[in-house]
Amino acid sequence: GQNIDQPTEMTATEGAIVQINCTYQTSGFNGLFWYQQHAGEAPTFLSYNVLDGLEEKGRFSSFLSRSKGYSYLLLKELQMKDSASYLCAGMDSNYQLIWGAGTKLIIKP
Amino acid sequence: GAVVSQHPSWVICKSGTSVKIECRSLDFQATTMFWYRQFPKQSLMLMATSNEGSKATYEQGVEKDKFLINHASLTLSTLTVTSAHPEDSSFYICSARGVEREGLYEQYFGPGTRLTVT
Repeated sequence: GQNIDQPTEMTATEGAIVQINCTYQTSGFNGLFWYQQHAGEAPTFLSYNVLDGLEEKGRFSSFLSRSKGYSYLLLKELQMKDSASYLCAGMDSNYQLIWGAGTKLIIKP
Repeated sequence: GAVVSQHPSWVICKSGTSVKIECRSLDFQATTMFWYRQFPKQSLMLMATSNEGSKATYEQGVEKDKFLINHASLTLSTLTVTSAHPEDSSFYICSARGVEREGLYEQYFGPGTRLTVT
C-alpha cells in the first residue's frame, strides 16, 4: 500500500530551526513535495525533490533519500508567520500525489 | 507564474439544493485537474481526477452521481454538489497539473471554496 508518515504536531521558538520529517511508501516514485497550508487556505508549494540530496531555497530546505524512503523539511530563522501545517506528499507512478496528514507547526515567541 | 482561480470562494446553501464550483487555470492550459476535499483538522482527500474531454475518475467512496465533474475545456473544470446535505459542508480545493518540465509535474492549487450547508 501507499503511505506517508509525518509527525502530527511540533513546537518551536521564533528565530530557531526546526526539521519536519517524512517517510513515504508509494507505488513507483516521481518525487516528493512539501506544501505549506495556513488554516482556511489552500496549500502552497514549497519544494520538490526527485534526486537524493538537499535543495535549499532561502530559509527553507528539503532533503530526500530515496533508498530510505525519507525526506525532511528544514525551516531556519523561524518567524511567527511560519505557524502553519506542513504537508508531505509523494508522487506515485501515475503522477498522483499521496498526502500525509500534515504536521502542525506552532511557533512560540 | 501559473494561477488557478476558484469561484465562489465561499457559499452557504440550504439542504437539498445544488451548488456549482468553478476552477479555472488563468494563464496555462490544464489537461488534468484534481478536486480535493478537506474536513476540519484532516488532510486533503482526493475526490476525483478530471481530464479534459473525458469522464472524471473518482476515488473510492466518492459518489459520482452526487459530485458531478465537468472538464469542458483546457482551462475550466466544474464540481457540482447535488442535493447537498450538512455533511457535505467542507473546504473544496481544486488543482491543475502543469506541463512536464524535466520530469516534474507541479500542481497549482486554487484558493479553495468553503461550502456550508444549512
